[in-house]
Order: sequence, then C-alpha cells, then structure tokens
Amino acid sequence: QKEVEQNSGPLSVPEGAIASLNCTYSDRVSQSFFWYRQYSGKSPELIMSIYSNGDKEDGRFTAQLNKASQYVSLLIRDSQPSDSATYLCAVNRDAGNMLTFGGGTRLMVKP
Amino acid sequence: KAGVTQTPRYLIKTRGQQVTLSCSPISGHRSVSWYQQTPGQGLQFLFEYFSETQRNKGNFPGRFSGRQFSNSRSEMNVSTLELGDSALYLCASSSGTPGVYGYTFGSGTRLTVV
Repeated sequence: QKEVEQNSGPLSVPEGAIASLNCTYSDRVSQSFFWYRQYSGKSPELIMSIYSNGDKEDGRFTAQLNKASQYVSLLIRDSQPSDSATYLCAVNRDAGNMLTFGGGTRLMVKP
Repeated sequence: KAGVTQTPRYLIKTRGQQVTLSCSPISGHRSVSWYQQTPGQGLQFLFEYFSETQRNKGNFPGRFSGRQFSNSRSEMNVSTLELGDSALYLCASSSGTPGVYGYTFGSGTRLTVV
C-alpha cells in the first residue's frame, strides 16, 4: 500500500463546475497536509496547507481533512480552464523534515 | 524576492559519468530538500539539509549524495550514472520545518542519461 494515494485521473469537469480531488494516506500519525498544483512542464506550486480536521477555505479552493478516515480533499469551485493541471497531495508524518507526495490527479477543465 | 534557483536546467550525460546539480534557496530559507520526479514513480524524496546538516535521507542508493554550504546553497551529486537516473530533479526550500511550512520548488534540472 502506498503511503499517499490519489486517483491518477484524468478528472474532467466542465468550466464553472466544482472539481473534487481526493487523497488518502496510510500513516495515522500524519499531522500536516499540503496540496500542490503542477502545470505540464513546470514545477509544483503550493496551493494550500491544512493541519486540523474540517474545512479550510482560500478563495476558490477548499481543503478538507478527516483524520479518522485518513483522507484529505481539495475542492475547486467555479473551475476554470486555467485550473487544468496535475494536483499533488503531500503528507507530513510528524511536523518534521520531509513531505511524502501522492502520484497526483490530472484535472482537465473543459470550456 | 528571488525564488529557488536551480542550475543547469537541462543536462545530458552518458552512463557511468557523474553529475552535480546546484540549488540556491530563497533568501533566508535554511532548509533545502531534493526530490526526483519520474512519470512512473512520481516525486520521491532524496534528502533534506538544514544549516549544512543532512537531517533526513530517502531510500536511494549511495550514488546519490548532497551537501549544503554555509550560505544555504546546496548541491547534489550522482555518481556512476544509470539510465534509470533520467528524471527531473527538483530542489525545494522552506522557511522553517517543511512539515509546517511546506516547500517552494525550483524549476528543476532535467537530467537525461544516454
């Protein structure tokens, strides 16, 4: 079992819809969680971090964390074609020195 | 504020050679991490340095090594290159503990081994 799992996609949504990206992790003691966006040919860029159970909103993005079920999700409201990218979930075990990344979900937003 | 700078952007090397990649973190960032990204394996952690000390190391063979200088700049070295080492090598810096603050990534070095 991989430490951090994501559906590779592609996840296709129409412009203006809500895109829902999911990530599960195996280590129960994981403490911090990050979402990165990576455009084709570019490096990952940090979108959001979340540390506590519940929702965290930042503009059109909402991160959701459920530690009991060991999943974290990212919702993108009013999806735009410019949101088309690969979204990487990253998990940190003990607020320490490394992040473990999932394989990423490729999102396609169709005009 | 300048971002994370990696040089060179592209490299082509022959099997058996060695290579050194360079990374300059964001000014003030003392933590530098290295990742290997391939289509099959995704992002895999190589190592992390803080104040010239390696704090964490991933599951890579000893051919992969790194170091950090007093100005926080970092280098990674791969000796005896193999075809499977072809990948995008990403450097990332953090203002503090990566598990708390996350990373800012550089543009990467694309290494091709022929």
